[in-house]
Amino acid sequence: DAGVIQSPRHEVTEMGQEVTLRCKPISGHNSLFWYRQTMMRGLELLIYFNNNVPIDDSGMPEDRFSAKMPNASFSTLKIQPSEPRDSAVYFCASNRLGDTRSPLHFGNGTRLTVT
Amino acid sequence: KQEVTQIPAALSVPEGENLVLNCSFTDSAIYNLQWFRQDPGKGLTSLLLIQSSQREQTSGRLNASLDKSSGRSTLYIAASQPGDSATYLCAVRLLYGGATNKLIFGTGTLLAVQP
Repeated sequence: DAGVIQSPRHEVTEMGQEVTLRCKPISGHNSLFWYRQTMMRGLELLIYFNNNVPIDDSGMPEDRFSAKMPNASFSTLKIQPSEPRDSAVYFCASNRLGDTRSPLHFGNGTRLTVT
Repeated sequence: KQEVTQIPAALSVPEGENLVLNCSFTDSAIYNLQWFRQDPGKGLTSLLLIQSSQREQTSGRLNASLDKSSGRSTLYIAASQPGDSATYLCAVRLLYGGATNKLIFGTGTLLAVQP
């Protein structure tokens, strides 16, 4: 089991540019989560999907953020246009919906720096 | 609205000491509670998951307890080692119905075990 795979590991971009973060969940997991972590705000849930369908996007900060899950093995989080305050570590996580004993597995994150 | 709090925010102990980390939550309607550790620059690793019907879970030197009625969980680490140094986070899975899978995280406890 390769675990949750995120890419890129680091992203440095200039304000106004589009940023796309990618995630491959663990095979067999049908819930996928995007979190953002900063020193000031800790770990925040941005959006999560069950069976590729977005269930709760109330944590998405604003319209500049969008997320998609076109199939069970791939998801993207896009920021357009990016701003310096978007700088954070973005984590993707997955588990099995309907199994209360299924722990949440995290990827190693993407560290985003917007200058 | 579910709020998860962890005390203390930081803890430093000498190697070999037993220690307790605390997690409290405001709404007892939860499916389960998970404890994670996070090493610098890494994602979160699940340590223990306690179902709402359980009182405790053990894994090696770790023991997690859950008192749902009082909204409290503790993580007990026996015979601490320098390798235990990390940030420890708890998270509760909300009980909104069969399709929910939303986890709310605490702010974490930064643990340093001094050799």
